[in-house]
Amino acid sequence: ETGVTQSPTHLIKTRGQQVTLRCSSQSGHNTVSWYQQALGQGPQFIFQYYREEENGRGNFPPRFSGLQFPNYSSELNVNALELDDSALYLCASTTGGGRGLETQYFGPGTRLLVL
Amino acid sequence: DAKTTQPPSMDCAEGRAANLPCNHSTISGNEYVYWYRQIHSQGPQYIIHGLKNNETNEMASLIITEDRKSSTLILPHATLRDTAVYYCIVRVGNQFYFGTGTSLTVIP
Repeated sequence: ETGVTQSPTHLIKTRGQQVTLRCSSQSGHNTVSWYQQALGQGPQFIFQYYREEENGRGNFPPRFSGLQFPNYSSELNVNALELDDSALYLCASTTGGGRGLETQYFGPGTRLLVL
Repeated sequence: DAKTTQPPSMDCAEGRAANLPCNHSTISGNEYVYWYRQIHSQGPQYIIHGLKNNETNEMASLIITEDRKSSTLILPHATLRDTAVYYCIVRVGNQFYFGTGTSLTVIP
């Protein structure tokens, strides 16, 4: 148990819809990263939030957006869902903008299926 | 752009040491190597990390070659619960670059 929680655990959407995934970071952690993990692949970095600002972004289109709240919890929003967005979405929390030696602690993930 | 290369699968007998290799030939001098494992599509679990020196903790040992182009994760006494996908990761700033991982099966 890492103390990082995500909701919902599973979700089914149809193509073109919008989805919001939620993450609560471990106590004391002010930095949240989001990853997409397609079946059989390693997680791919989407973006990171630190002190409520985006703090780095991977190779994902603008329809992937996020928020971080004052309590450091975070949301991942995906608009205009495509079939290829079907994946396990992971969040990970750490401290200090993720640039120190502190490791990242992952939540259990949200499995999204787009039909 | 994959920064790490790992064998797709390995087997190890229970009680024996499991040695998982990783190539990261393009790693830069200030980029750390991390290892995580993932069981049954749960969230990845931290194992160990290092820069250039060998590291050991209660879970594993990490051996990094002198040129830093490759590393080996060692689980000294593998148990059935160590069956998982093991990811070798290069950390660049605040981003973790995962490879495709090695699926380790521990055999009774």
